[in-house]
Amino acid sequence: AQKVTQAQTEISVVEKEDVTLDCVYETRDTTYYLFWYKQPPSGELVFLIRRNSFDEQNEISGRYSWNFQKSTSSFNFTITASQVVDSAVYFCALEDQTGANNLFFGTGTRLTVIP
Amino acid sequence: DTAVSQTPKYLVTQMGNDKSIKCEQNLGHDTMYWYKQDSKKFLKIMFSYNNKELIINETVPNRFSPKSPDKAHLNLHINSLELGDSAVYFCASSPVGRFNYGYTFGSGTRLTVV
Repeated sequence: AQKVTQAQTEISVVEKEDVTLDCVYETRDTTYYLFWYKQPPSGELVFLIRRNSFDEQNEISGRYSWNFQKSTSSFNFTITASQVVDSAVYFCALEDQTGANNLFFGTGTRLTVIP
Repeated sequence: DTAVSQTPKYLVTQMGNDKSIKCEQNLGHDTMYWYKQDSKKFLKIMFSYNNKELIINETVPNRFSPKSPDKAHLNLHINSLELGDSAVYFCASSPVGRFNYGYTFGSGTRLTVV
């Protein structure tokens, strides 16, 4: 069965600090996709990244970077030089390949960036 | 142009009523979904639907039913609303297959049952 664990329920950092959000997943599929979504206080879900299981290269997009390690089933997300606008709930999600392709979400990590 | 639009954004209704939430996508995607986000922010799939089949999460009560008049719409009907149905409901869509570049979500409908 698919499962996504985000052990950090809430994190607070001071502006300009770096912060890493952890995500650990479980799946029996050999092909799968991992996602991160941001949910700001306004409530919408904003797509950040999609990574397939065959691509373990780390990815950087501006202040955001992702570290995918298949050996530890982790897909961690780091925000460098955090800003107040980064305050949101961040969800890690796994797309299964059996049956319907839909997303299994982690429980989310609430990040608060203090000015 | 909004890619996935849901209406209404807020819905307050009494227990026992029947209500619908509409969802439309203009992305040409093949598959549409409904997700429920509870008060603890937990997001869970309710339905996925393409023009071939509807897949229902077994935990969803049969008071909930999706209706798709065409490929661009997947509306959510809820009968005999209960207090526990209060949540935020998200519609989403995606293209089919391995080149899915991500799910696009609507902005959510906050349903409050009183």
